[in-house]
Order: sequence, then structure tokens, then C-alpha cells
Amino acid sequence: TQLLEQSPQFLSIQEGENLTVYCNSSSVFSSLQWYRQEPGEGPVLLVTVVTGGEVKKLKRLTFQFGDARKDSSLHITAAQPGDTGLYLCAGARGSNYKLTFGKGTLLTVNP
Amino acid sequence: GAGVSQSPSNKVTEKGKDVELRCDPISGHTALYWYRQSLGQGLEFLIYFQGNSAPDKSGLPSDRFSAERTGGSVSTLTIQRTQQEDSAVYLCASSLAGTGTPAAGEQYFGPGTRLTVT
Repeated sequence: TQLLEQSPQFLSIQEGENLTVYCNSSSVFSSLQWYRQEPGEGPVLLVTVVTGGEVKKLKRLTFQFGDARKDSSLHITAAQPGDTGLYLCAGARGSNYKLTFGKGTLLTVNP
Repeated sequence: GAGVSQSPSNKVTEKGKDVELRCDPISGHTALYWYRQSLGQGLEFLIYFQGNSAPDKSGLPSDRFSAERTGGSVSTLTIQRTQQEDSAVYLCASSLAGTGTPAAGEQYFGPGTRLTVT
């Protein structure tokens, strides 16, 4: 069973649209990270959330950690073609070193 | 400073041969991780190093897989007698801390080695 479920798996939108990607689990995480991966490259860390209910903003990206620290969302406002990539959420439990990754959301933003 | 580097970037090998994959972490990062990424499977944890020790090898798929780290820096992942199911992208990551703080989860990845076993 997948510990972290991401949805949707694929998302294709037009430039300028808004979107939300979800990361859900039945387990509690001590921290949760969001990464973006482009073809042929490794994942790049976008944000870490630690506190239940925490909201972090990174330009047009807004990340939220659920109150119970079991889920998270990533909202992108006015998407641009440069936002295209695979978005991965990853959760750490207990001692923090071992990340469990979701399978990712493949986002395509069309000009 | 420089990021995590991995070599080779691509490796094609014949079934049954041994391969070595190398990772150079970010200078000063004490923790190092190996993951495997296959199509449709997401990232799969293989092994975690804290310094030169590997307190968690639980993700290694079989005894054909081994890894070592020397001088608290460079790590090598070795796959013996490769099989076709070993084909994947092998990713290395490092972090400033291994445990105990959220920083441990802030892992910085290399570009990966794409392994193809024919």
C-alpha cells in the first residue's frame, strides 16, 4: 500500500489557470516536503512544512500542511509553462531521515 | 557551493555484469541517501548513511546490492550480477542532519544515474 497518495496523477492545463495538487495519508508525519522534478534531473526541494495548519508561500505557490499533519496541498496561481514538471510530496516520520514519497503529479502547463 | 553530483549519468550494462554508481554529496552534509526511481513506482528508499555508517539498509532489494561511504563524503552503490529488473534511475541525496530535526528531511538530490540492463 502507498503511504502517501497524490492526486491527481496527471494534470494538463492552460497558462494562467489555477490548480491544486493533493497529498494524503492515514499516517501522521513530523515534517512534509514538496519537491519538483524535471526530466533527466533529480528532485529539487521547494518547501518543508512542520506545524499542523502551517501555510507557506513561494511566489505563486502556496503550500498547506493539514491540521492533523496527515495531508498537504500545493496550490499554484496563474500557472506558467515553467511550472511544468513532476511534483512530489515526501513525508518524514519519527527520526526524520527516512522520507516516504508519493508517486507524484505530472503537471503540464500549455502556452 | 556545488550540489550533489553523480556518475556516470547513464550506464548500459549486460545482464550478469557488476556496476558501480558514485555519489559526491554536498560538502559538510553528514547524511547521505540512495533511492531508486522506476516508472510508475515513485522514489524507493534504499539506504541511509550517517557519516560512514549505514544505520538503515532496509531498502536494499537483495544481497546483490551494497553500498559504502568513505571519509564521510563519497559513496558508492554496487550492484552485482545485474538483472533487467534493476533498470531504473538511481538517485543520491544528502542532508545537513540525519535525524532529530526537520532539516533531516530537507534532502538535496543529484541528477541521478540511469541504469539500463540489457
